[in-house]
Amino acid sequence: GQNIDQPTEMTATEGAIVQINCTYQTSGFNGLFWYQQHAGEAPTFLSYNVLDGLEEKGRFSSFLSRSKGYSYLLLKELQMKDSASYLCAVMDSNYQLIWGAGTKLIIKP
Amino acid sequence: DVKVTQSSRYLVKRTGEKVFLECVQDMDHENMFWYRQDPGLGLRLIYFSYDVKMKEKGDIPEGYSVSREKKERFSLILESASTNQTSMYLCASSFPGEGVVNQPQHFGDGTRLSIL
Repeated sequence: GQNIDQPTEMTATEGAIVQINCTYQTSGFNGLFWYQQHAGEAPTFLSYNVLDGLEEKGRFSSFLSRSKGYSYLLLKELQMKDSASYLCAVMDSNYQLIWGAGTKLIIKP
Repeated sequence: DVKVTQSSRYLVKRTGEKVFLECVQDMDHENMFWYRQDPGLGLRLIYFSYDVKMKEKGDIPEGYSVSREKKERFSLILESASTNQTSMYLCASSFPGEGVVNQPQHFGDGTRLSIL
């Protein structure tokens, strides 16, 4: 079967750095997406990786290793507004998105 | 900015009712999707559509149907609502992928549906 694993919940301190991991086992791979979802709101697109390596976008970076079936989302200089759930999704060989359950990130002052 | 609009944020219906959830997008996207989101589970795909009048079953289509009569509108129908269909329903849309670059899906704010 297809599976996406990410931690259920993480806690970090304002101003710090946090890394949210995602491991996947899917039938084929056509890219990995990260989304942010604040409570009661729509998921919003953060990043897309299809090749190995690091993609940087301001305070957020996303890394992919296809051989290891592994990705992480790195958030720097954490702000209170970063408190949200972070969803990892992999596009499989049928171009369907397989979603992880999400990681709830709690930021403390 | 992409706008995906779902007709209701909150909806309460009774068991056995026929329920319509509407979704409209304003970015001329070919692809549209319906998901449900439940605590502790990832988003689960109910139905999707890559073109007008076209529909494909996702992972959990049982008890649902869809309609796409116009490009911008994708409707989800619960034929006879049951309590296990109480959930958050999310609509999304996207452009088709181009080569190795796949386009992100853009989501509506969701409809929290309660079936009593």
